[in-house]
Amino acid sequence: DAKTTQPPSMDCAEGRAANLPCNHSTISGNEYVYWYRQIHSQGPQYIIHGLKNNETNEMASLIITEDRKSSTLILPHATLRDTAVYYCIVRVAGSSYGKLTFGQGTILTVHP
Amino acid sequence: GAVVSQHPSWVICKSGTSVKIECRSLDFQATTMFWYRQFPKQSLMLMATSNEGSKATYEQGVEKDKFLINHASLTLSTLTVTSAHPEDSSFYICSAREPPANEKLFFGSGTQLSVL
Repeated sequence: DAKTTQPPSMDCAEGRAANLPCNHSTISGNEYVYWYRQIHSQGPQYIIHGLKNNETNEMASLIITEDRKSSTLILPHATLRDTAVYYCIVRVAGSSYGKLTFGQGTILTVHP
Repeated sequence: GAVVSQHPSWVICKSGTSVKIECRSLDFQATTMFWYRQFPKQSLMLMATSNEGSKATYEQGVEKDKFLINHASLTLSTLTVTSAHPEDSSFYICSAREPPANEKLFFGSGTQLSVL
């Protein structure tokens, strides 16, 4: 799986949009971009994933650049409960032997 | 989304004893589950891939005789830490792929193991 690079930490004010960047310059054509987050002392939670097009769900939006070498996860209205470690991972979706390799992620702190 | 249940949430044991952690897929069948370990302030590290009806596949550096994995049914995988020592104290997390497209992984809530 391709390696990703994320800033170690970010801050965001409650109610504002949180934009978390991720670089994946070595991504292959069949690799998807996945985002997970881990709240302290809990298992990771799936947020969103995409291949080429921008994606949106009830939790977040995923913006992938045209060359697919980077992406941004957007939490439109961050709340205190969004404070967590956010992991950007690239992998082949649907692979029978696929497994997630976690990097260090970005610690997002949402403050009042 | 799919639910993965992990039990127990935390366990304290004496050095030299064995501890079993259960991972269940509650509303779907999981032919493959993954076991991770996480030390404080570190990221998750994949330990092994658990395959229903066959032997688990361990990552390099993980002792298969120490971390016994059994995946006897399509909804249950167990991880047994044998002869636990204080250095085995960690946060253990299981995950399973969502069928049928296997596009998402869902994680259990984790088990905090403390070995005294």
